[in-house]
Amino acid sequence: AQSVTQLDSHVSVSEGTPVLLRCNYSSSYSPSLFWYVQHPNKGLQLLLKYTSAATLVKGINGFEAEFKKSETSFHLTKPSAHMSDAAEYFCVVSPFSNDYKLSFGAGTTVTVRA
Amino acid sequence: DGGITQSPKYLFRKEGQNVTLSCEQNLNHDAMYWYRQDPGQGLRLIYYSQIVNDFQKGDIAEGYSVSREKKESFPLTVTSAQKNPTAFYLCASTGRGGWQPQHFGDGTRLSIL
Repeated sequence: AQSVTQLDSHVSVSEGTPVLLRCNYSSSYSPSLFWYVQHPNKGLQLLLKYTSAATLVKGINGFEAEFKKSETSFHLTKPSAHMSDAAEYFCVVSPFSNDYKLSFGAGTTVTVRA
Repeated sequence: DGGITQSPKYLFRKEGQNVTLSCEQNLNHDAMYWYRQDPGQGLRLIYYSQIVNDFQKGDIAEGYSVSREKKESFPLTVTSAQKNPTAFYLCASTGRGGWQPQHFGDGTRLSIL
């Protein structure tokens, strides 16, 4: 069984400052991990994915995430927040199984102050 | 462009009425999924299908039904048995392999009249 915990339900940052969204996971096997972003009334857009290659994963829009197996974490960061980064972010784990069922975190809402 | 199309974007249901949400993909993906999203909550899996003419219940299947007659299409029916249908519904698809990310449509927002 696998599960995902996003440690912050809300994160507020000033424009131009770093963003950190925290995610811990549990999985019986080596998982695939994803971060998605959702803007209001839209579907989820893939930001980046980890699939057992490099532990530091670069995604779109300047986001990156680091997979730390020892800490079972997959935190998302961005060096400088932009107003357009205001959205909800989901950390997602995919198990090593044949049904491709994902486990979603509860989401982190990011607000960006001007 | 390849992608997933959900329609309609907004849907209203009367008491005792069944409504059907459409989901079409042109990504040639085998697996398709329906999720329900409520305010402040993550996504909950309603149904999923890995191949044509086969589907499985997810975590909250009661009051919903699906069909998978074509690879490209996976419609969801919200039946009158679903007593609290107001939510945002998302359809997704993926290729084979757990390392493949799911691709999402833009959702349908269902409300009760």
